[in-house]
Amino acid sequence: AQKVTQAQTEISVVEKEDVTLDCVYETRDTTYYLFWYKQPPSGELVFLIRRNSFDEQNEISGRYSWNFQKSTSSFNFTITASQVVDSAVYFCAHTGEYGQNFVFGPGTRLSVLP
Amino acid sequence: DTAVSQTPKYLVTQMGNDKSIKCEQNLGHDTMYWYKQDSKKFLKIMFSYNNKELIINETVPNRFSPKSPDKAHLNLHINSLELGDSAVYFCASSHHMGGGSYNEQFFGPGTRLTVL
Repeated sequence: AQKVTQAQTEISVVEKEDVTLDCVYETRDTTYYLFWYKQPPSGELVFLIRRNSFDEQNEISGRYSWNFQKSTSSFNFTITASQVVDSAVYFCAHTGEYGQNFVFGPGTRLSVLP
Repeated sequence: DTAVSQTPKYLVTQMGNDKSIKCEQNLGHDTMYWYKQDSKKFLKIMFSYNNKELIINETVPNRFSPKSPDKAHLNLHINSLELGDSAVYFCASSHHMGGGSYNEQFFGPGTRLTVL
């Protein structure tokens, strides 16, 4: 069955440190998509990125970068020079090509201390 | 101008009652979803509808019944509420099913349901 694992339950860093959030997935889908969402303390869920299974290019967006490694079934998320506003719960998620098997990981709570 | 809206934001009710949560999206999306987030922040999909048709129905008690009167609305009705139903319920929408281009899910602000 499809599964998304985020082994880090909680991470604390000091502002300006770099931090990497791990995501490992299991899937039987040939074509699939991976996502990262952010849930700040206010509670809303904010889409960050989508990556499809046939595009292993890494992506950078400002201080955020994502490393997709199909060989290790990982889709890790790095925040460079973290800021207090980055404090949130971050979720990694998977879906199959047609929306089947949509699964969220358990989330990683990131606390960035001033 | 809210893309995905839910009402109410908070809902406190007694065990055994019946309640509904409404969801509307103004993004012109074809697909809508309901998720449950428990106290440990674990998010689980409950239902998804595509063009008013039920597509995904995870293992959810049949006390939960989604209703989609049109593509822009997906309401969640819960009968005979139980203590374990207390959670935050999120509605979401996406352009279509699957994970293709421009198909990220947009989430509503959530409805915090507390069953006493």
